[in-house]
This record gives sequence, C-alpha cells and structure tokens, in this order.
Amino acid sequence: DAGVIQSPRHEVTEMGQEVTLRCKPISGHNSLFWYRQTMMRGLELLIYFNNNVPIDDSGMPEDRFSAKMPNASFSTLKIQPSEPRDSAVYFCASNTDYGQPQHFGDGTRLSIL
Amino acid sequence: AQRVTQPEKLLSVFKGAPVELKCNYSYSGSPELFWYVQYSRQRLQLLLRHISRESIKGFTADLNKGETSFHLKKPFAQEEDSAMYYCAFVSGGSNYKLTFGKGTLLTVNP
Repeated sequence: DAGVIQSPRHEVTEMGQEVTLRCKPISGHNSLFWYRQTMMRGLELLIYFNNNVPIDDSGMPEDRFSAKMPNASFSTLKIQPSEPRDSAVYFCASNTDYGQPQHFGDGTRLSIL
Repeated sequence: AQRVTQPEKLLSVFKGAPVELKCNYSYSGSPELFWYVQYSRQRLQLLLRHISRESIKGFTADLNKGETSFHLKKPFAQEEDSAMYYCAFVSGGSNYKLTFGKGTLLTVNP
C-alpha cells in the first residue's frame, strides 16, 4: 500500500486566493483526520470523518476553512480566502477502528504570502 | 478535560546518554496511549503503543496509571534519534479522536 497520499506537497500562493488540499486515505480505513502543524501551536486536529461523515469539526479555526469527504477514498480541505497566518504544514491521517494507530501522509507545506 | 502534557519543548543529550521524554495525561478512564515520532521533514510515524508493550528502536514506554504518565525512555541515545516526539492518546467510548501533546524536540549531540 502506498500509504496516505497528500497533494500537493508544497503550495505557495498569495493571500486571498483559494487553496485546496487533497488526501487519499489508505484503502479500507474508515476514519480520516486533518491536522495543522505550526511551530507555535504544535499539532492541532482540525476535523475528522468516520465513514465519510464529519464527526468533529471543532478544531476548524473559522468559516474560511471547510472540509469534505465525498467518498471513502478522497477528502479535501479548502481555505477561502487564504491568509498569511494559515501558513503551516497540513497533515492528513487515516485509521481503521477505534484505538488503532493513525497513519499519516507526508503533509502539505502551505505558504501564504 | 482530556489533555496530554509534554512539559519539555526541547531536550538535548549527548550520544550514549540515557534519555527520557515525559508525558502526562489527564483522563479518568482507560486511554490508549501512543508515541509518534517525526524525523526532519518526514511524516509522523507511530513509534510504539502501550498495549503492545514492545521496544522499538531501543525505546520503551510504560503506562503508569497512578501517576497518569507514559514516559518514553531509551538507555543509550543515538544521533539518529534526533526528532520531534509526540505523545498521544485515544479516549474511551466511540470517540476516535487522537489527542496529541505539543511535542518534544530531541537533539542528540555527538
């Protein structure tokens, strides 16, 4: 298995632009998680899905952030409009059942100028 | 509130020295505890979990319910152990949420 696949690996864009991050979880995993990692705040859970349904989005910072999971093999995290303070590494992770370890993707390094 | 505390943001040791990365959790039930490691510019990866009671890359961690701790230990640190280490737990019930500590950056000097 190729593991969790995220794209793009790097994104540099100007503030105000829409940013879409993509994630393909490991086949057979039914939970998917989006995290944001910064030097100041560490690793923060933004949202997680179980069986394609958003379960907890309390970590989404504001309405500019939205996430979807249209099917079991694909999820997007969208920021519109983007701001410089959104610059971070965004990780996607997936796992099977409760208590099982999460498998992380390589992350998307996002820079908003 | 469910919380994981890693009191040290930075930890620096010399090669061959023992290392202990501290982790305390706040949860009244029986959590599932993990240590994740992130080497420079790489993805997070699972290092070990408490229910496995195994040693990975020379690291061990014992769950101490009395002290609500899950410290990570290695008797002789190696330079390749330099990385960011995150303690995390999953709480009981149907909640799949993994709560991470803020991480400890370990530097092993030659």
